[in-house]
Amino acid sequence: DAGVIQSPRHEVTEMGQEVTLRCKPISGHDYLFWYRQTMMRGLELLIYFNNNVPIDDSGMPEDRFSAKMPNASFSTLKIQPSEPRDSAVYFCASSPRSSGNIQYFGAGTRLSVL
Amino acid sequence: EDQVTQSPEALRLQEGESSSLNCSYTVSGLRGLFWYRQDPGKGPEFLFTLYSAGEEKEKERLKATLTKKESFLHITAPKPEDSATYLCAVLRNTDKLIFGTGTRLQVFP
Repeated sequence: DAGVIQSPRHEVTEMGQEVTLRCKPISGHDYLFWYRQTMMRGLELLIYFNNNVPIDDSGMPEDRFSAKMPNASFSTLKIQPSEPRDSAVYFCASSPRSSGNIQYFGAGTRLSVL
Repeated sequence: EDQVTQSPEALRLQEGESSSLNCSYTVSGLRGLFWYRQDPGKGPEFLFTLYSAGEEKEKERLKATLTKKESFLHITAPKPEDSATYLCAVLRNTDKLIFGTGTRLQVFP
């Protein structure tokens, strides 16, 4: 398996623009997680899905952030409008129910909002 | 409030110089403690899961241990390729992992 695939790897945008990050989880995994990583706050969980259904979005910083999982093989994280403080590395991870909660991470998307 | 604290923030070792990384946690209903390794520009990679106090897991030069309040990641005779950031995370009675901020390890030849 190719692992968790995220795109794009790097995104540079201007403040106020819409940003869409994409994730393809490992086939057969039941859970999908979106994280944000910064030097100051480390790795923070934003939202997670179980069988394509959002379970907990308490980590989503504000209404500018939204996430969808239209099917088992695709998820998006959207920021609209983007702000400079959204600059961070965003990770997607997936996990099979049988793994004992081991999460497998993608390579991340480095977002810079100017 | 659940809390995971890792120390030190950064550690520089000479090749072959053994040491330990600490992860202390305050969480109710711990279901598991996880260690991950993260290389620059990459996502975290799973190393170990520990489920109960007294448990130990080993992989090559790494050994993870767990008590009721903390976990240690012992690195024996490290090599430069062990240089990375090591993250610990705790799992409560949900499916959410709460991560510490990590220890950046540098091993010099």
